[in-house]
Amino acid sequence: NAGVTQTPKFRVLKTGQSMTLLCAQDMNHEYMYWYRQDPGMGLRLIHYSVGEGTTAKGEVPDGYNVSRLKKQNFLLGLESAAPSQTSVYFCASSKQGATVYNEQFFGPGTRLTVL
Amino acid sequence: SQQGEEDPQALSIQEGENATMNCSYKTSINNLQWYRQNSGRGLVHLILIRSNEREKHSGRLRVTLDTSKKSSSLLITASRAADTASYFCATGIGNQFYFGTGTSLTVIP
Repeated sequence: NAGVTQTPKFRVLKTGQSMTLLCAQDMNHEYMYWYRQDPGMGLRLIHYSVGEGTTAKGEVPDGYNVSRLKKQNFLLGLESAAPSQTSVYFCASSKQGATVYNEQFFGPGTRLTVL
Repeated sequence: SQQGEEDPQALSIQEGENATMNCSYKTSINNLQWYRQNSGRGLVHLILIRSNEREKHSGRLRVTLDTSKKSSSLLITASRAADTASYFCATGIGNQFYFGTGTSLTVIP
């Protein structure tokens, strides 16, 4: 099993450009999450999904959109990139939500720089 | 923000010593988890403790939870150089997990 994979690993954008980050998991998990990690800030939840076709906002959703058309994939889009979106982005998945006693599995991360 | 806070922010110890890091959080939780992150990598789950549990062990890891103080501690015994990493606590609330700011642990061989 590959677990959680993320594409691409690195990306440099110019302000105003758009891009999509792809997350894929092969564990048949219902829940998927997108986080951003900034120095000294820990991980902050951007958006999450509790199943195919569903999405919900997390702590810092502004400037991002997501889609979960297939259970195994969770896409994060930046419509018009800004320097404040320079960060490391992590995708995670879990079998069930945080109210149940289960862990999250993380991808390796995407390092995004917006110039 | 419901984000937790880890203490200390950074910790440096000699190999073989014990490492203790603490996590404080703000609201009632379902469970609390600890994760490790090696430099440039994703997070890896270490241990989960339920809100009705007070202590849990897994190998060289010992986690305690005090819900009255809204705090948890992670003890790593007999540390090894390979334990060098950042450690994060995460609280499970509703459908979301809230992560702390992390403790950077350096184990000197």
